[in-house]
Amino acid sequence: SQQGEEDPQALSIQEGENATMNCSYKTSINNLQWYRQNSGRGLVHLILIRSNEREKHSGRLRVTLDTSKKSSSLLITASRAADTASYFCATDYKNRDDKIIFGKGTRLHILP
Amino acid sequence: GAGVSQSPSNKVTEKGKDVELRCDPISGHTALYWYRQSLGQGLEFLIYFQGNSAPDKSGLPSDRFSAERTGGSVSTLTIQRTQQEDSAVYLCASSLRGAPGETQYFGPGTRLLVL
Repeated sequence: SQQGEEDPQALSIQEGENATMNCSYKTSINNLQWYRQNSGRGLVHLILIRSNEREKHSGRLRVTLDTSKKSSSLLITASRAADTASYFCATDYKNRDDKIIFGKGTRLHILP
Repeated sequence: GAGVSQSPSNKVTEKGKDVELRCDPISGHTALYWYRQSLGQGLEFLIYFQGNSAPDKSGLPSDRFSAERTGGSVSTLTIQRTQQEDSAVYLCASSLRGAPGETQYFGPGTRLLVL
């Protein structure tokens, strides 16, 4: 399928540590976005990176994009309990302007 | 409105019954999306509206699923003759124009349980 796939599926780290999640995709993209979902409900947009960008920052978030490897990573620095959530990458593919494809997500758990 | 709203929040129904799920997008957003999320899974795209028309219905899992949008605003997703495998959270999202890379704003979802 043309779905982004996150890795790992689940991650548990101590509060204060950095959390890194990866996303791989299969065909050329226009953009890649990361979303967060708390408690199995609605998703919240975190950050977007365009295909001609390599790195982007937003607060404690750092996103990288490697189009040659068709992969992206999301780094959360100095993690907090409130960062416990599922994180999804979403890609919109060239020539498919009408929808974005979500991966299955990484479930992040921050341990106190 | 302040955000995307969905109703009902939860729905329990018996196998074989029809259900109707409602989504109120952010005012002025022309694009509206429906997704389905099974327990512990990612989001499965169902259908996308641009205004009142649905250019992409490819994600609807069967002909028991249909959706409409009227007045470029409210959308309803109807599932006929529900089956147990239809149990999931149904999420609606809207975006301003539906352009590539646009942020989608999600509602809280409707949790459907088919007994």
